[in-house]
Amino acid sequence: AQSVTQLDSHVSVSEGTPVLLRCNYSSSYSPSLFWYVQHPNKGLQLLLKYTSAATLVKGINGFEAEFKKSETSFHLTKPSAHMSDAAEYFCVVSDPYSGGYNKLIFGAGTRLAVHP
Amino acid sequence: GAVVSQHPSWVICKSGTSVKIECRSLDFQATTMFWYRQFPKKSLMLMATSNEGSKATYEQGVEKDKFLINHASLTLSTLTVTSAHPEDSSFYICSATGTSGRADTQYFGPGTRLTVL
Repeated sequence: AQSVTQLDSHVSVSEGTPVLLRCNYSSSYSPSLFWYVQHPNKGLQLLLKYTSAATLVKGINGFEAEFKKSETSFHLTKPSAHMSDAAEYFCVVSDPYSGGYNKLIFGAGTRLAVHP
Repeated sequence: GAVVSQHPSWVICKSGTSVKIECRSLDFQATTMFWYRQFPKKSLMLMATSNEGSKATYEQGVEKDKFLINHASLTLSTLTVTSAHPEDSSFYICSATGTSGRADTQYFGPGTRLTVL
């Protein structure tokens, strides 16, 4: 079965410092992996996705993630945090063999706080 | 592109009444729509999946008679919470996938906050 584990429930960084949000996945086959961001009272926004092409995936707003099969990881990074990055981040794996549609399995989420 | 809207954005109702939430894909045809529930400070839990013109597929533990889902067109799905109770209070989020290049990505609506008094 597919699953994802987000290793940190809360991450706090200073503005201008790097961001690292950690995610490990479990999959029986080559997975599709996503990072979504959810701002307070807003819908989820797709940051980036990995679908077996390049292992380093660049997303919106300066975020990127690297797929490491040997470590079963898909950590999200950003070189320099902005105040506007404060939000909840979800690592997600797709299960394409769930009744004919791409069922998404969400991690528990990581709340990113950015302070001045 | 790939915008999904939900209506209403929030609703307060009395216990025992029914509430309908709409999910629309505004600029693409949504062959499949998904309904999630999110508890405060928790992750999203998939409730059901619906394909246009067919019955929804519910996840284990979700009462199909309580959460009625209709996907009558390629741009609209509705979730009706019947005989709502305070424990049904939650944030309900829909998503949609389209055809061709959008088939592998779910696009999410902004969510509907339901409060049952």
